[in-house]
Amino acid sequence: ILNVEQSPQSLHVQEGDSTNFTCSFPSSNFYALHWYRWETAKSPEALFVMTLNGDEKKKGRISATLNTKEGYSYLYIKGSQPEDSATYLCAFISGNQFYFGTGTSLTVIP
Amino acid sequence: DTEVTQTPKHLVMGMTNKKSLKCEQHMGHRAMYWYKQKAKKPPELMFVYSYEKLSINESVPSRFSPECPNSSLLNLHLHALQPEDSALYLCASSQAHGVPTYEQYFGPGTRLTVT
Repeated sequence: ILNVEQSPQSLHVQEGDSTNFTCSFPSSNFYALHWYRWETAKSPEALFVMTLNGDEKKKGRISATLNTKEGYSYLYIKGSQPEDSATYLCAFISGNQFYFGTGTSLTVIP
Repeated sequence: DTEVTQTPKHLVMGMTNKKSLKCEQHMGHRAMYWYKQKAKKPPELMFVYSYEKLSINESVPSRFSPECPNSSLLNLHLHALQPEDSALYLCASSQAHGVPTYEQYFGPGTRLTVT
């Protein structure tokens, strides 16, 4: 069983704060890394698909970086808003297998 | 339409019951997936269908029986489940299986309780 770790497990921030969290994965047999946002009572939705070492992706106030050599990805949220409250899941793709992390639960306090 | 739908949203069943979970997508995706998620754990892959054929079965007990009647539908038939099978069951689809850059589209899940 392959280990994908996310930290922290949960996070509470004030509205307007910027925050970041980490996804750690094996540095071998890397094919891709996906980030998903999962709001309560909704479906997980893809945020980013990252494949290349040094990749940086941005969608509005959310961005992600990728370091495949050391096996981590960071997700950043600038100026957090209450609607950013969700669980953020990363998935490490190796071959044709998806390995999900346990997620980081973010609560943005108005 | 980028939606994956799942029914029912909630299901309570006894250990002797037979029930089915349903999943549907109309995005023309050729890969469909069943995941099981227990609280505070990552989603665990159960089955993958690729072009309507079972491609991966992650050593799932036979009390779970998947079926893919056509490219838009995926069922999970449940029989003689155990209380430890209580979990959130997520369905997902993607354009094709085995392409790392294809994201997965998830349904909202079925919350299953086995009594």
